[in-house]
Amino acid sequence: DVKVTQSSRYLVKRTGEKVFLECVQDMDHENMFWYRQDPGLGLRLIYFSYDVKMKEKGDIPEGYSVSREKKERFSLILESASTNQTSMYLCASSYLPGTESYNEQFFGPGTRLTVL
Amino acid sequence: AQSVSQHNHHVILSEAASLELGCNYSYGGTVNLFWYVQYPGQHLQLLLKYFSGDPLVKGIKGFEAEFIKSKFSFNLRKPSVQWSDTAEYFCAVSTGTYKYIFGTGTRLKVLA
Repeated sequence: DVKVTQSSRYLVKRTGEKVFLECVQDMDHENMFWYRQDPGLGLRLIYFSYDVKMKEKGDIPEGYSVSREKKERFSLILESASTNQTSMYLCASSYLPGTESYNEQFFGPGTRLTVL
Repeated sequence: AQSVSQHNHHVILSEAASLELGCNYSYGGTVNLFWYVQYPGQHLQLLLKYFSGDPLVKGIKGFEAEFIKSKFSFNLRKPSVQWSDTAEYFCAVSTGTYKYIFGTGTRLKVLA
């Protein structure tokens, strides 16, 4: 059973705090992604990674950074949390060449972050 | 710019009614197409996908979708909805191995 796990389901932080969101996949996928999900806006891509130590900005990278030191792990970092970063954060992974689902994204359960 | 449009933001149906959710995309090249569903309190999961071949694809729970290339559309259908289909539905288009564009979602409420 394929899995993408995220370190927390719910998180409450204060403005200015540094926040780490962790994501782990066990499917040997090449690509990993961080999205934020807001009502009426769908999923917006923050950052993605196509290989260890490689990262690319998505559509809304401001205020975020990422780290991928191992293939299975992708971290999202909020350097100084702000109230407008209150959101649901979704991690996804994809791309296993040679398989039927090679380009399908698999999602984690999400982390609902509240910044006070 | 590449985009995905889901025209219905909120849909309310009675049980046994037929469902069709629209999805249109703007991209002229080869695409992979997906419909994802998010049940209340649960994570996004794949309903169905189109990579190539038969443009009518069948997914889980009786859902199907038809890819019409000339219309840049990938509409989701179900002949008879159930209360348990209440969820948010997202259309997504992949234009490369790490480029995915999501629609803004359609919230479906099915009345028992």
